[in-house]
Amino acid sequence: SQQGEEDPQALSIQEGENATMNCSYKTSINNLQWYRQNSGRGLVHLILIRSNEREKHSGRLRVTLDTSKKSSSLLITASRAADTASYFCATDAKSGGSQGNLIFGKGTKLSVKP
Amino acid sequence: DTAVSQTPKYLVTQMGNDKSIKCEQNLGHDTMYWYKQDSKKFLKIMFSYNNKELIINETVPNRFSPKSPDKAHLNLHINSLELGDSAVYFCASSTLGTGVGKLFFGSGTQLSVL
Repeated sequence: SQQGEEDPQALSIQEGENATMNCSYKTSINNLQWYRQNSGRGLVHLILIRSNEREKHSGRLRVTLDTSKKSSSLLITASRAADTASYFCATDAKSGGSQGNLIFGKGTKLSVKP
Repeated sequence: DTAVSQTPKYLVTQMGNDKSIKCEQNLGHDTMYWYKQDSKKFLKIMFSYNNKELIINETVPNRFSPKSPDKAHLNLHINSLELGDSAVYFCASSTLGTGVGKLFFGSGTQLSVL
């Protein structure tokens, strides 16, 4: 069953602006991960945040996790045209039938215009 | 060297045929996966192997049969292909510790069933 839901489904911004994508999930997790997929390519891991962490940074990326609300956000600061891609959150469920695998949301399609 | 490589990149075939997709990883990971991405970009787990043992087998028609000859390889064989099997199939690998580590994806195999 689907675990993560990204919001918005699509986002269009100008170069230099910040982009924020949100992810909500349903069950307790070990960790939550964000991936990027360029058109016609495989997914690339961006960042992993554990259930006991609240915020994590990697370059222009900032991820927050709120386990009480079962939600996460990905912020890309000072966006570039090269950031144009689909972004997926994926959750590693702590229990239940989904253990041992990552369940992906439907993704947010980000378009950064030069 | 490519970390996760899958072949072929494109596969065009007729309904009813049998085809295989191969995947190899040189990362020393103990877990490998097959994901299916549909035309709406939704990514769904199909199978997962840990140390050559099947640990995840989602609701997939038994026309799909994974085979893991060793930890570095996970192949996918599909019998009696149907139109609905058209999708992009991704192989991935990771390590399993306390939860799922980050996944490394292959570049995908675009399967078109005519």
